[in-house]
Amino acid sequence: NAGVMQNPRHLVRRRGQEARLRCSPMKGHSHVYWYRQLPEEGLKFMVYLQKENIIDESGMPKERFSAEFPKEGPSILRIQQVVRGDSAAYFCASSPRQGALHFGNGTRLTVT
Amino acid sequence: TQLLEQSPQFLSIQEGENLTVYCNSSSVFSSLQWYRQEPGEGPVLLVTVVTGGEVKKLKRLTFQFGDARKDSSLHITAAQPGDTGLYLCAGDLNEKLTFGTGTRLTIIP
Repeated sequence: NAGVMQNPRHLVRRRGQEARLRCSPMKGHSHVYWYRQLPEEGLKFMVYLQKENIIDESGMPKERFSAEFPKEGPSILRIQQVVRGDSAAYFCASSPRQGALHFGNGTRLTVT
Repeated sequence: TQLLEQSPQFLSIQEGENLTVYCNSSSVFSSLQWYRQEPGEGPVLLVTVVTGGEVKKLKRLTFQFGDARKDSSLHITAAQPGDTGLYLCAGDLNEKLTFGTGTRLTIIP
């Protein structure tokens, strides 16, 4: 069984560019979560999605950030016009229902 | 304000010693989970506790959920270098997991 797959593992963007982070959940999982982690810190909740629906986006900035989980294909976290403060590790997790999460190995975004 | 506070933030002990890390909150959680994260990887689930007062053991690790379901502890017996990592607690609140601040554990051989 493949685990949660995130790509790319590392992403470098210049200020003002767009960053697109992809997450393929585990097979059979219909719940996807995105978290952000700064060095030496815990994970901060961003958004919770089910297929084609955003359930809770209370942790996601209102501007420049968007997320989707289409009927077919991976979940996408999109950051427009990136700034240096967006540099972080972004983790995706999936579950078959609420509760225990299975995490991917993250995308490390560096904004130069 | 941080919903879940973990202590200590950093802990460095000798191999063979025992240790306890704590996860505290003023909120009541329907369940609480402990994860371990190694550098460059995502967190890996260690245990889920659901019932107030529940105790679960995983080899040398003992997890306890507080009676009021607001806090939890993780006790490691005879720590080994392989236990080194970032330990995160996470509470299930309003259908999403909120993570604690983390305890960075280093076991010195």
